[in-house]
Amino acid sequence: DADVTQTPRNRITKTGKRIMLECSQTKGHDRMYWYRQDPGLGLRLIYYSFDVKDINKGEISDGYSVSRQAQAKFSLSLESAIPNQTALYFCATSDLGGRDNEQFFGPGTRLTVL
Amino acid sequence: AQKITQTQPGMFVQEKEAVTLDCTYDTSDQSYGLFWYKQPSSGEMIFLIYQGSYDEQNATEGRYSLNFQKARKSANLVISASQLGDSAMYFCAMREFNTNAGKSTFGDGTTLTVKP
Repeated sequence: DADVTQTPRNRITKTGKRIMLECSQTKGHDRMYWYRQDPGLGLRLIYYSFDVKDINKGEISDGYSVSRQAQAKFSLSLESAIPNQTALYFCATSDLGGRDNEQFFGPGTRLTVL
Repeated sequence: AQKITQTQPGMFVQEKEAVTLDCTYDTSDQSYGLFWYKQPSSGEMIFLIYQGSYDEQNATEGRYSLNFQKARKSANLVISASQLGDSAMYFCAMREFNTNAGKSTFGDGTTLTVKP
């Protein structure tokens, strides 16, 4: 079973709709992240959380909100989706210390806003 | 200023040959890590290799090696004996442990095409 899962894997929605993307992890990591990737570009950080009570904005948080329901769950919401939020969204986790500073990525969610 | 720069939008290599993908970075943090990820057309992010700023030796993982030149702030990925399955997009990323709360910054990627 995958360590980091995302649901849904694909979603098509309309402008103005509220959308929630969910992320779950079984790695026991405290840190979780949401990124978006636009075609031909790298990943940009939307929000990150270092523990259940710690939520921080990334570089492109406008139009998004998050909820850290438990250590293992981190959800991303688009309150009122717009077409330029069409992108590939990744959830990631990480822990502290040495080589474990690697981030583990979920499979991604392809979101299309019409 | 761009923290991670990948100057090669696209690269071609002949099967079985070696290829180097460039990455330069910018940080004032003394403690940081450099990562390379592979993203095939299916979209998932696959971790390839890691280099810590205090690591004295260049990292190697199978056919992947990282040519780390700290003074030049470069962390190039070398893929030896390229295979057709290596065709993908490759991202260089950096985590700054002191100054940026450990968040990752990604470059815009290099698309590698391996020719048969």
